[in-house]
Amino acid sequence: GQSLEQPSEVTAVEGAIVQINCTYQTSGFYGLSWYQQHDGGAPTFLSYNALDGLEETGRFSSFLSRSDSYGYLLLQELQMKDSASYFCAVRDSSASKIIFGSGTRLSIRP
Amino acid sequence: NAGVTQTPKFQVLKTGQSMTLQCAQDMNHEYMSWYRQDPGMGLRLIHYSVGAGITDQGEVPNGYNVSRSTTEDFPLRLLSAAPSQTSVYFCASRLGREQETQYFGPGTRLLVL
Repeated sequence: GQSLEQPSEVTAVEGAIVQINCTYQTSGFYGLSWYQQHDGGAPTFLSYNALDGLEETGRFSSFLSRSDSYGYLLLQELQMKDSASYFCAVRDSSASKIIFGSGTRLSIRP
Repeated sequence: NAGVTQTPKFQVLKTGQSMTLQCAQDMNHEYMSWYRQDPGMGLRLIHYSVGAGITDQGEVPNGYNVSRSTTEDFPLRLLSAAPSQTSVYFCASRLGREQETQYFGPGTRLLVL
């Protein structure tokens, strides 16, 4: 089966940098995805890492280490609008299902 | 494109009632899924489909049925609603097996009394 672990809450200051970690256990691994969800809204796709290393998209970056079964989402120059929940996700061994972690709620202080 | 649409947005049911949550997508996506989201529990997979006529169970399928008669539609049926099914329900779709990006509908908020 699959399981993903991420911290339940993270707090950061506006303008700062924050890292949200995710460790996973899977019977087959294709890559690690990240989704963002604002309160009352639907999850939206942010990024995907299939290979080791850092992928950068604007202020957001995502990192993967397959040997450590670990990844993280890095948010730079934090803005108040980045206050949201962030989920890591993996496909199962058949690639038919996408399983999500329980989510990390990011709170940003002025 | 409308993307993924869900109806209704809100619903209140009494214990024992049945209802169908509707989900449709206009992106010609093969794969569709239903998730429920409870506070602190993340998104849990209820049922999923890899194409018209093909469905399978996810992590929490009990109390729910699905069918996929067309590529576009993937309704979720609650057979006999229970208070434990109070949740927010999201439908999602993606193009195919090798595509990672999943697109979500706006959700249905369900309260079972």
